[in-house]
This record gives sequence, C-alpha cells and structure tokens, in this order.
Amino acid sequence: EAGVTQFPSHSVIEKGQTVTLRCDPISGHDNLYWYRRVMGKEIKFLLHFVKESKQDESGMPNNRFLAERTGGTYSTLKVQPAELEDSGVYFCASSQLANTEAFFGQGTRLTVV
Amino acid sequence: AQSVAQPEDQVNVAEGNPLTVKCTYSVSGNPYLFWYVQYPNRGLQFLLKYITGDNLVKGSYGFEAEFNKSQTSFHLKKPSALVSDSALYFCAVRDRSARQLTFGSGTQLTVLP
Repeated sequence: EAGVTQFPSHSVIEKGQTVTLRCDPISGHDNLYWYRRVMGKEIKFLLHFVKESKQDESGMPNNRFLAERTGGTYSTLKVQPAELEDSGVYFCASSQLANTEAFFGQGTRLTVV
Repeated sequence: AQSVAQPEDQVNVAEGNPLTVKCTYSVSGNPYLFWYVQYPNRGLQFLLKYITGDNLVKGSYGFEAEFNKSQTSFHLKKPSALVSDSALYFCAVRDRSARQLTFGSGTQLTVLP
C-alpha cells in the first residue's frame, strides 16, 4: 500500500512568488491534514479536510495560504505571495478515521529567499 | 488548549544502554498520546500511541512509553539503544474533542557506537 506522498520534496522560491504544494493521501483516507515545522520549532497544525470539506482551518496563518481538496482525493496548499517567514517543512498526513493515528508524508521543504 | 513539552533538544546515549526521551503534556480531559520518529530525509513515522488501558504501551522497533497521569508525562523508552535509533523524535497529544495533533518541539536522539 502506498503511503502519503508529497510533491515537491524541496522548493526554493523568491519572496513574492507563488508556490503550490501537493499531497496525495493514502487511498481511502477521508481525513487529510496539513502541518508545518518552522525554524526547527514544533510541528504546528494548519488545517484538516474531511473528504473535500474543510473541517478546521484554525491553524492557517493568514490569507496568503489557500488549501484545496477537490474531489476529496489529493490536496494542494498554495502560498501566494510567499514571504521569508513561510520557510519551513510542510507535512501532510492522512487517517482513515478522525480518531485513529495519522500517517505522514516525507514533507516538502520550502525555502523562501 | 493543549500543549506538549519536550524538555531536551538533544539526547546522547551509548549503544546498548537504555534510552529515555521525555515528554510532558497539558490537555483538558483524557488525552490521546503519540510518539512519531523522523529519520534523516524521511517523513514522520508513527511509533506508538496511548488511547486507554494499560499505562505501558509497546510500539515499533522495541520502543515503549509509559503514560503517567499524575505527572502528565509520556516518556519514550527503549531498554537497549541501537545506532540506527538515531533520529528526531516527536511527542504529540490530542484531546478527545479535537481532531488535530499538538506536537512538541522534538528531541534529537544520537546513539553513539
């Protein structure tokens, strides 16, 4: 069974540019989460999808971040325009049920210069 | 609000010796507790979880963790460390009404040959 996959693994962009991160969850997992780790600190929650619906987006830092999950399959996280403080590792996770453990992807390392 | 503290940024231990990675948490009500590990250039990998029942939880690769409600701790342990256990370890908590995980800042474990 394929795990959670994220693309790209690394991205380096200039301040003001746009970047789109993609996450393919484990097949059949309705719950999809985005997290990020900034500057070696704790991993922080961004948002949670149940199928194609946003269940909780309380962790999204500002309106420069837009997450979508059309059709309830893969998800994208777009940052537009990117700022220096957006640099970090963005993790995606999925779970079959909301109260079971989440399985994480390898993360996308975003560097904004 | 829920929170997790991992008081040690770095833990060094000699191969063959027992290891402990500390975690304390704060959450309203009864918690779900998790340990994840991140090997170099890999994603977060689930190690073990405490939901209810026996306070001693056994997980992957010989790791175990003990839930201590009075001390609000969930320390990760292994009786005999291997060099291959060297990685970044994250403790996480979720209260029973939330869907997202709250992570600690991570502890870098180095097992010396």
